[in-house]
Amino acid sequence: NAGVTQTPKFRVLKTGQSMTLLCAQDMNHEYMYWYRQDPGMGLRLIHYSVGEGTTAKGEVPDGYNVSRLKKQNFLLGLESAAPSQTSVYFCASTSNNQNTEAFFGQGTRLTVV
Amino acid sequence: AQSVTQPDIHITVSEGASLELRCNYSYGATPYLFWYVQSPGQGLQLLLKYFSGDTLVQGIKGFEAEFKRSQSSFNLRKPSVHWSDAAEYFCAVGSYNQGGKLIFGQGTELSVKP
Repeated sequence: NAGVTQTPKFRVLKTGQSMTLLCAQDMNHEYMYWYRQDPGMGLRLIHYSVGEGTTAKGEVPDGYNVSRLKKQNFLLGLESAAPSQTSVYFCASTSNNQNTEAFFGQGTRLTVV
Repeated sequence: AQSVTQPDIHITVSEGASLELRCNYSYGATPYLFWYVQSPGQGLQLLLKYFSGDTLVQGIKGFEAEFKRSQSSFNLRKPSVHWSDAAEYFCAVGSYNQGGKLIFGQGTELSVKP
């Protein structure tokens, strides 16, 4: 049971380049999330999705776009990377039932130079 | 505003000593509360969670936490720390009507002295 899988695990980008981070879950979860983790700031929500074809902004959405074309996948895009987007990105998913926890991927460490 | 505060950025304890990590929250709705642990270079692993009922919850690896509504706190405890407990610990709060979104504290890094 893979759970939540993120690709790639590491990436170095030059300022202005674009990239897409892929999150895949095999638990048939309705909800999916993208967080970024920065030192001393915990995890902050970038965007989230409550179902296939739906997305919504979180706390820090600027500079990112997302898509949920398939229920099991949630893509995070950076159209023009900036050094401020250097971070560790985590994807998570939950079911739409009460009393359930979020399951997290292993993270993607992104460096923008 | 909704927020989670972990007052201690870094704690060092001796192996075998007891541990308490503090977590305070400000949240308008009835909260669900979580503690996650993150080992270096790894993702987040759920230690325990509180949704309702008994305010003292037991988790994995010998951890427990107590929900105190009057103090808006959800402190994590362990009676005897092991060297393998060295990691970063995150408190998080959410609620069902928030679609599973979580608000995280800043994290507490735990070091364990031999």
